[in-house]
Amino acid sequence: DGGITQSPKYLFRKEGQNVTLSCEQNLNHDAMYWYRQDPGQGLRLIYYSQIVNDFQKGDIAEGYSVSREKKESFPLTVTSAQKNPTAFYLCASSTGLAGPYNEQFFGPGTRLTVL
Amino acid sequence: AQKVTQAQTEISVVEKEDVTLDCVYETRDTTYYLFWYKQPPSGELVFLIRRNSFDEQNEISGRYSWNFQKSTSSFNFTITASQVVDSAVYFCALSAYNTDKLIFGTGTRLQVFP
Repeated sequence: DGGITQSPKYLFRKEGQNVTLSCEQNLNHDAMYWYRQDPGQGLRLIYYSQIVNDFQKGDIAEGYSVSREKKESFPLTVTSAQKNPTAFYLCASSTGLAGPYNEQFFGPGTRLTVL
Repeated sequence: AQKVTQAQTEISVVEKEDVTLDCVYETRDTTYYLFWYKQPPSGELVFLIRRNSFDEQNEISGRYSWNFQKSTSSFNFTITASQVVDSAVYFCALSAYNTDKLIFGTGTRLQVFP
């Protein structure tokens, strides 16, 4: 079955630690995205990538970093510089060049809690 | 600036009732796309519909229907004869022609009671 996998589903981190969230897709999509969701708010874009070895900052990139070494993978690192990292993180992908023509497909999400 | 407003934070209905979820958007672009996504309790967003700015035809898919009105910048979503399985958070989103970004509304939580 094609789809997007995110791991782990729940993640706990101590303050001051970096943590990496995994996102893998087997849909052969070129574009991948990371969103953050907080209670009562919509999804906010952290980073996105249209092609391997290239990515752009979204609206709330501070305190986060990404890499895109393979088409299938787009890991997100939440660094200690992120002041309020507790949130639900969603990864998505879309076909062709990133753009409005095609819907984004979402993974099941990772819930990160900072202790 | 682009913006999506979903004024209804939470809606509760009893099964078999019809319910309409409102979505109002703002954009200066003449070409844009509107989306609706469903987020069930599992957390994964499920794509429901995409509509481009040049197509104002209403669409019906089973119990779901969408009403797009450019004159009022609205893209409302109606569920007919709601079911408990419709309980979820529903997001409306906007994407302009020349961007790669989806601008999401804050979502409407729909609870359908048996």
